[in-house]
Amino acid sequence: EPEVTQTPSHQVTQMGQEVILRCVPISNHLYFYWYRQILGQKVEFLVSFYNNEISEKSEIFDDQFSVERPDGSNFTLKIRSTKLEDSAMYFCASRNRGDADTQYFGPGTRLTVL
Amino acid sequence: QKEVEQNSGPLSVPEGAIASLNCTYSDRVSQSFFWYRQYSGKSPELIMSIYSNGDKEDGRFTAQLNKASQYVSLLIRDSQPSDSATYLCAVGYRYNTDKLIFGTGTRLQVFP
Repeated sequence: EPEVTQTPSHQVTQMGQEVILRCVPISNHLYFYWYRQILGQKVEFLVSFYNNEISEKSEIFDDQFSVERPDGSNFTLKIRSTKLEDSAMYFCASRNRGDADTQYFGPGTRLTVL
Repeated sequence: QKEVEQNSGPLSVPEGAIASLNCTYSDRVSQSFFWYRQYSGKSPELIMSIYSNGDKEDGRFTAQLNKASQYVSLLIRDSQPSDSATYLCAVGYRYNTDKLIFGTGTRLQVFP
């Protein structure tokens, strides 16, 4: 069964450093998402992406964040200058056009900012 | 502000019992409803989706939707210790926005 994959599983970085989180969505999916979950809190929407552009972004997704689909398979989230409060699990999700709203989540990347 | 509310639990049930998980949502234009299961340190795993009022059954799971009362529930029959996890309710708005709004989740504990 096709799955969303994410790398790395755990990323440790120093405050102020740039990080890139990588995702490979399910191959025939067209809509891509990033969510985050701070430890003990709810899953929060960050950004949605379709047809090579951002469809929607939350207030969390400020100028420090960017997304890119550099090729036909990868979908990346970049945080330009990490802050302590960026420490969280970051989940990539994808869905197909005819699949209503059903989003399938990847295993997540745990980001720890020191 | 769209809100999705769940009792954080824990909800403790004995093995073999029915577990009942509830979720309420604030926005009447909500169109789609999802239950995800999340084991500790893992990602949300889709269990069920429901779009119309009434019940939808899939194996041991039944989702119930009541749009007039703005609640959605999940019943787990014949609960197993492996069902012990946090159950996340998520709401989608289909035509207005593509994002899912999640509740905080209900932690379920099934004891042998």
